[in-house]
Amino acid sequence: GQSLEQPSEVTAVEGAIVQINCTYQTSGFYGLSWYQQHDGGAPTFLSYNALDGLEETGRFSSFLSRSDSYGYLLLQELQMKDSASYFCAVITGGGNKLTFGTGTQLKVEL
Amino acid sequence: GAGVSQTPSNKVTEKGKYVELRCDPISGHTALYWYRQSLGQGPEFLIYFQGTGAADDSGLPNDRFFAVRPEGSVSTLKIQRTERGDSAVYLCASSLIGGRGDEQFFGPGTRLTVL
Repeated sequence: GQSLEQPSEVTAVEGAIVQINCTYQTSGFYGLSWYQQHDGGAPTFLSYNALDGLEETGRFSSFLSRSDSYGYLLLQELQMKDSASYFCAVITGGGNKLTFGTGTQLKVEL
Repeated sequence: GAGVSQTPSNKVTEKGKYVELRCDPISGHTALYWYRQSLGQGPEFLIYFQGTGAADDSGLPNDRFFAVRPEGSVSTLKIQRTERGDSAVYLCASSLIGGRGDEQFFGPGTRLTVL
């Protein structure tokens, strides 16, 4: 089976940088995705890493180390609207089936 | 439509009843996924369609759950003899091709409550 670990909560101030870590144990690992979900809303895609290294998309970056079974999401210049839950998800096996972690609730304060 | 839509948005039923949940994916998306999400948890994979066929149904918890996508667009998730433990938000997502890492576009979900 698969297991993913993320911190349950992270708090940061507006304008700061925050890193959300994700460690995983899987078989047949193909890649790591990150999704954002606001309370009562639908998950929305942020990033996908299939290879080791850093992927940057605007204020958000995602990193993967396959040898360490570890990844992180980096959010820069935090804004109040970034307050949400962030989920890492692994892709294993055929197709694009996602196995999600339990999520990290990010609270951005003034 | 512009995004994935799901109906109904809320469904309250009694234990033992049958329910159907509908998902309209983004037009042209060949892959469709069903997940369910309990409070405080991440979405849990149920089933994934590539076109009309179920490519992976390994997440369906038991034979009370069944899903179809007869014409390769709209999908229906069917739950027989509902149990209180089936209460959750059922999420549908679609992606253009279904290749690994393809962005999945999620609908707003159907909140199912089994009394």
